[in-house]
Amino acid sequence: DSGVTQTPKHLITATGQRVTLRCSPRSGDLSVYWYQQSLDQGLQFLIQYYNGEERAKGNILERFSAQQFPDLHSELNLSSLELGDSALYFCASSPRLAGGTTDTQYFGPGTRLTVL
Amino acid sequence: GNSVTQMEGPVTLSEEAFLTINCTYTATGYPSLFWYVQYPGEGLQLLLKATKADDKGSNKGFEATYRKETTSFHLEKGSVQVSDSAVYFCALSSNSGYSTLTFGKGTMLLVSP
Repeated sequence: DSGVTQTPKHLITATGQRVTLRCSPRSGDLSVYWYQQSLDQGLQFLIQYYNGEERAKGNILERFSAQQFPDLHSELNLSSLELGDSALYFCASSPRLAGGTTDTQYFGPGTRLTVL
Repeated sequence: GNSVTQMEGPVTLSEEAFLTINCTYTATGYPSLFWYVQYPGEGLQLLLKATKADDKGSNKGFEATYRKETTSFHLEKGSVQVSDSAVYFCALSSNSGYSTLTFGKGTMLLVSP
């Protein structure tokens, strides 16, 4: 158990809909990262937040957005869903923003999104 | 940009065989290198890491050495077990201040009794 929790575990929805995925980082971790794992694209970094502020963006679509709240939990919002958005979405957390050294990222169990 | 290349799987071995999963990387500067493991139906778990050249990461009988001259971080284990069956991901993180991970495509390992 990494200490990172994600809800829900599974989500089934229809094309065009909007969903929200939730992540609670490990106690004390300030950085939260979102990743997408799909069969064709592999594991891709989407976005990072540190202490409530967006810090880095990867291959995140404009239809997707995220935020980190004062209690440090984070939500990933996916809208206008398409079949191709079906994937496993992982959240990870680490203690601080790296400044010369790299903190280990601890991954949650993931949310499996199925778009029908 | 950063990239990680792993050998394609699946790698099929008998129990107690020697394992090598190759990983090479392209990155600017001096990245940190990681191996993560994903067991069926589960999230990613950190297996080992190395943060500078010639460092050896090790855990649970697995080890990998950070080779800057060959830009490699090959994963090895002397004697695999059935319970090692999983997907293994090599990853790097540039020490630029943001720590985002770039992953390889993963290598599935199947160990038979």
